[in-house]
Amino acid sequence: DGGITQSPKYLFRKEGQNVTLSCEQNLNHDAMYWYRQDPGQGLRLIYYSQIVNDFQKGDIAEGYSVSREKKESFPLTVTSAQKNPTAFYLCASRMQDGSSYEQYFGPGTRLTVT
Amino acid sequence: GNSVTQMEGPVTLSEEAFLTINCTYTATGYPSLFWYVQYPGEGLQLLLKATKADDKGSNKGFEATYRKETTSFHLEKGSVQVSDSAVYFCALTLAGGTSYGKLTFGQGTILTVHP
Repeated sequence: DGGITQSPKYLFRKEGQNVTLSCEQNLNHDAMYWYRQDPGQGLRLIYYSQIVNDFQKGDIAEGYSVSREKKESFPLTVTSAQKNPTAFYLCASRMQDGSSYEQYFGPGTRLTVT
Repeated sequence: GNSVTQMEGPVTLSEEAFLTINCTYTATGYPSLFWYVQYPGEGLQLLLKATKADDKGSNKGFEATYRKETTSFHLEKGSVQVSDSAVYFCALTLAGGTSYGKLTFGQGTILTVHP
């Protein structure tokens, strides 16, 4: 089955530690996205990548970093510089051929930093 | 800039009631519009979409019509079920240019349906 996987589903870290969230897709999509969701709010874009080895900052990139070494993978690192890292993180992907614009989402990773 | 505004929630209904969740938008071009649904503890699933004015998206009994004159994309369902309890997000994207396919989301509306 094609889809997007995120692991782990729950992640706990101590303050001051960097943590990397995994996102893998086998949909052969070109573009991938990371969003952050906080209670009672919509999703906010952290980073996006339209092609391998290229990525751009979204609206709230401070304290985060990404890499895109393979088409299938777009890991997100939450660094110790992120002031409020506890949130639900969602990865998404999209075909870049201009025929459709909907994004497909993974199941999410809930990060708790104490 | 682009923005999406959804009606405040939470919305609580009895099974078989009629559902409307209002969504209005502002955009600098001609957006594509979406409704996504999020069940507890899960990611978002695309519920329906519309790509141009007067298009009607529909899926699983839900409908929404792209109204350019009122910049709206209200979600409706004639008879809700308990299994429809979820958070509903309205979103837009602009094709091309500097939009990079970014989705702009509303804040979400929590729907709870009681038996």
